[in-house]
Amino acid sequence: ETGVTQSPTHLIKTRGQQVTLRCSSQSGHNTVSWYQQALGQGPQFIFQYYREEENGRGNFPPRFSGLQFPNYSSELNVNALELDDSALYLCATTRGGVQETQYFGPGTRLLVL
Amino acid sequence: AQSVTQLGSHVSVSEGALVLLRCNYSSSVPPYLFWYVQYPNQGLQLLLKYTSAATLVKGINGFEAEFKKSETSFHLTKPSAHMSDAAEYFCAVSEPGAGSYQLTFGKGTKLSVIP
Repeated sequence: ETGVTQSPTHLIKTRGQQVTLRCSSQSGHNTVSWYQQALGQGPQFIFQYYREEENGRGNFPPRFSGLQFPNYSSELNVNALELDDSALYLCATTRGGVQETQYFGPGTRLLVL
Repeated sequence: AQSVTQLGSHVSVSEGALVLLRCNYSSSVPPYLFWYVQYPNQGLQLLLKYTSAATLVKGINGFEAEFKKSETSFHLTKPSAHMSDAAEYFCAVSEPGAGSYQLTFGKGTKLSVIP
């Protein structure tokens, strides 16, 4: 049990639609990262938020955006969905610091038709 | 830029045999290195991490890994495989400091354990 929850667990959308994925973490986990894991691949870093500000971004277009809230929850928003956006989306949270562990949630599986 | 190469997308071992999963990395700065395990339909669980302290790192469930700078490797080993070790394993690299939690993952190695 990591203390990180994600909702929904599964989601089906149509190309061109918008989607919001949610992540909730333990108290004090002020750093959250989002990853995209395509089928048969390793996770790819999308972006990271620290104290409600984006402080790192991977090679993803601006239609991938995020928010982090004071209650240690966060959102990943994807606009204008494309078929290639079909993947498992993982969030990971930590209190920060070298000796701290980053905890991953179980993920949201998104299918774009 | 960082990258990770995991040699062998699928490894099979007999129960009780040595587990060896290979990982090579590329990084422009001294890296942090991680091994994660993923069971079907679950998220990632940290097995162990190297953050520039001891080069031999011991993790959970009897796994360990050795950081070899000269070989740019961070191979994962376990002396005796158990059926419960069957899963997918990911090696990851990050930069120390602000980027320490922004991980670059390999493509993964699926471990099968034969009874």
